Amino acid sequence: GQQVMQIPQYQHVQEGEDFTTYCNSSTTLSNIQWYKQRPGGHPVFLIQLVKSGEVKKQKRLTFQFGEAKKNSSLHITATQTTDVGTYFCAGPILYDKVIFGPGTSLSVIP
Amino acid sequence: NAGVTQTPKFQVLKTGQSMTLQCAQDMNHNSMYWYRQDPGMGLRLIYYSASEGTTDKGEVPNGYNVSRLNKREFSLRLESAAPSQTSVYFCASSEFHGGDQPQHFGDGTRLSIL
Repeated sequence: GQQVMQIPQYQHVQEGEDFTTYCNSSTTLSNIQWYKQRPGGHPVFLIQLVKSGEVKKQKRLTFQFGEAKKNSSLHITATQTTDVGTYFCAGPILYDKVIFGPGTSLSVIP
Repeated sequence: NAGVTQTPKFQVLKTGQSMTLQCAQDMNHNSMYWYRQDPGMGLRLIYYSASEGTTDKGEVPNGYNVSRLNKREFSLRLESAAPSQTSVYFCASSEFHGGDQPQHFGDGTRLSIL
């Protein structure tokens, strides 16, 4: 069946370093969503990308949707301790149900 | 606005016991979802309700039942709990059902089955 994969599973960075997580789908996606979950919290919607090659920025976060619409990335510039959490990508299957990737857990060392 | 409210927040059950997890949203959303989250496996869809009066199976429906009580409320029932159902359960809602709809999540129910 359709799968959404993410790498790496875990990432530990020194505060101020950059961080990137990658999301790959086994099939073409009509859109990709990104969520953040703080430790002990619930997933919170960050952004949705729809167009091939689309790039969106939210302050220090840059989201990109691949040209083939099968992959996406989230890049955080100059990480801060507030960035700690698990980042999930999610994409639709059969045009309606959303399937979540396993997530990338980010730790930031002060 | 509270958003999506789940009760209880924590629960410990014995194998074979039954219980119902409650979820309510105050955003007038049409669609509601139940997920379970296990370490390293992300969020897996158990059941969903695209609109009031309808429910459908997700990826992992076995051992669960749901009821869309009204537009606001969507409950998840474990009829005979098993240790494999130990997990964190999240309820979510979206304005409409579709792969392009952002989902709003509740705080979760942490369920342990002994």
